[in-house]
Amino acid sequence: DTGVSQNPRHKITKRGQNVTFRCDPISEHNRLYWYRQTLGQGPEFLTYFQNEAQLEKSRLLSDRFSAERPKGSFSTLEIQRTEQGDSAMYLCASSLRGPGQGTSNEQFFGPGTRLTVL
Amino acid sequence: QQQVKQSPQSLIVQKGGISIINCAYENTAFDYFPWYQQFPGKGPALLIAIRPDVSEKKEGRFTISFNKSAKQFSLHIMDSQPGDSATYFCAASMQTGGSYIPTFGRGTSLIVHP
Repeated sequence: DTGVSQNPRHKITKRGQNVTFRCDPISEHNRLYWYRQTLGQGPEFLTYFQNEAQLEKSRLLSDRFSAERPKGSFSTLEIQRTEQGDSAMYLCASSLRGPGQGTSNEQFFGPGTRLTVL
Repeated sequence: QQQVKQSPQSLIVQKGGISIINCAYENTAFDYFPWYQQFPGKGPALLIAIRPDVSEKKEGRFTISFNKSAKQFSLHIMDSQPGDSATYFCAASMQTGGSYIPTFGRGTSLIVHP
């Protein structure tokens, strides 16, 4: 399978604990995005990387959230001191922008990591 | 503030019928309007997209109608099939930080009865 992969698929944690999720984008995709999706809602943008540079962050990304993409390949999203309101599906997507291409490239989504904070 | 309003929240149609999902947006800076299809346990997948310089785009059984003056757009699924049963999200995008970041509607759960 050469699609976007995310691990773990499910995570249950207690309030106050730290959690980290991993996203492996489609190989050669230089853009990577993180979204949060709660039940009955559409995905909400959190942040996006082009290669290893974090170019955009939503105001939803509080200081308890941090994302990295150290080598421009996989990315991690860490949530510190989790709260019950953090319970959601965390989606990762990737896209490719090449020379001469526009910026409205299709984003390919992974299956998500479902976080439950007890 | 909900920038993209989507309706209905749920939709039930018979096989062979037409499914229609409507969306409206506020920000006139949006200039790319994709629709996504999401099956349970999967991430959203791009279905079809339109830019505001055209009023309609058709791909197979899926058609987007776009009304720029009304700031509304809709998805029509012709000859709906049970395999179309999924959640559909409209989105509106504008260029942000060099990429198009979609603002999603709340989704429509479509059930197509055989």
